[in-house]
Amino acid sequence: DTGVSQDPRHKITKRGQNVTFRCDPISEHNRLYWYRQTLGQGPEFLTYFQNEAQLEKSRLLSDRFSAERPKGSFSTLEIQRTEQGDSAMYLCASSLDRLENEKLFFGSGTQLSVL
Amino acid sequence: DAKTTQPPSMDCAEGRAANLPCNHSTISGNEYVYWYRQIHSQGPQYIIHGLKNNETNEMASLIITEDRKSSTLILPHATLRDTAVYYCIVRDGRAGNMLTFGGGTRLMVKP
Repeated sequence: DTGVSQDPRHKITKRGQNVTFRCDPISEHNRLYWYRQTLGQGPEFLTYFQNEAQLEKSRLLSDRFSAERPKGSFSTLEIQRTEQGDSAMYLCASSLDRLENEKLFFGSGTQLSVL
Repeated sequence: DAKTTQPPSMDCAEGRAANLPCNHSTISGNEYVYWYRQIHSQGPQYIIHGLKNNETNEMASLIITEDRKSSTLILPHATLRDTAVYYCIVRDGRAGNMLTFGGGTRLMVKP
């Protein structure tokens, strides 16, 4: 039983560069979420997908951020022209579409450091 | 705007019960109480959830007061591996609603 997989685990980049992260959800899960977490804070919601459709985006998701889930399976999160304030842990989660009480299963995250 | 209030940190002796409180005085009738925990360098992990009745699973017990304005997560025999940040979240049970994390309680289990 494989869980949610994220790649890479760590990314160091220079300010102004573009970065892309990948998330592979649990295979039968049709919902996929992206969260961001800074040191000492709880995770903050960024966006979520139902299959390949991106249904909600947070105000935190500036126009430098774009997420895709082209075939309703894996997802990518791209940050263009990175800034030092983008340094954070980027978490992916997946779940089954249920009417109520869905449980989210999180990956171990991608730690981004922007120098 | 946080819907829950938790103490920022707690200590617990190994082998003893850890009781983590959460206040959610503005909870509405269709909102459930969820608990997740996050061990260092990992993503959050689901623990338990409940609406109004007490719940128990292999990880923990959840006690919700009759007026539903507060709850307690109980780890019956805490181990060092239970050291983590514990998040109490209230969430509308209907589909499509996001989990909104607050600051959580940092539980330190000590030998």
